[in-house]
Amino acid sequence: AQSVTQPDIHITVSEGASLELRCNYSYGATPYLFWYVQSPGQGLQLLLKYFSGDTLVQGIKGFEAEFKRSQSSFNLRKPSVHWSDAAEYFCAVGGAGNKLVFGAGTILRVKS
Amino acid sequence: DADVTQTPRNRITKTGKRIMLECSQTKGHDRMYWYRQDPGLGLRLIYYSFDVKDINKGEISDGYSVSRQAQAKFSLSLESAIPNQTALYFCATSAGTGGRQPQHFGDGTRLSIL
Repeated sequence: AQSVTQPDIHITVSEGASLELRCNYSYGATPYLFWYVQSPGQGLQLLLKYFSGDTLVQGIKGFEAEFKRSQSSFNLRKPSVHWSDAAEYFCAVGGAGNKLVFGAGTILRVKS
Repeated sequence: DADVTQTPRNRITKTGKRIMLECSQTKGHDRMYWYRQDPGLGLRLIYYSFDVKDINKGEISDGYSVSRQAQAKFSLSLESAIPNQTALYFCATSAGTGGRQPQHFGDGTRLSIL
């Protein structure tokens, strides 16, 4: 069965600094990987997805993620964080039947 | 208008009461899902439906039931609510087959059971 680990429960970065959120997955076949963001009081919004091909994928809001099969990782990055990026971020792996398995989430705080 | 609409957005009720959470979508997707979110646990799948006649249990279906009234409507019921069902509930939809289709989420229903 697939699983996702997000090792960091909270991360605090200064506005303008770079960001990396970690995600490790476990899945027996080729994984379909997703990053979602949840702002307070809202649902989850898709940031980016990886299915195959180029291991560096670009998403919305200036985010990117890199798939590393050898490390079973799919880390999310942003070169320069804005205060509006403060939110909770979820990594998810998709398997058979469109079922998604989510990590526990990482709460990002941005300090000015 | 939102593509995936959940009602109500907030609900406070008492132990033992029957509660229904509703979800409707205008995306035309066949697949619909119900999740609950608890702090530190991420989202966990309660039930999912691939079409009106196909409903499946997720990882935490005990204490819940669902009804797919139409392609666009998928309701979640708590037959006799208990306090540990206090959580944030999300409905989601997706198109297509396989695991590559992203899911689209409603804004959630915050449910408190006293």
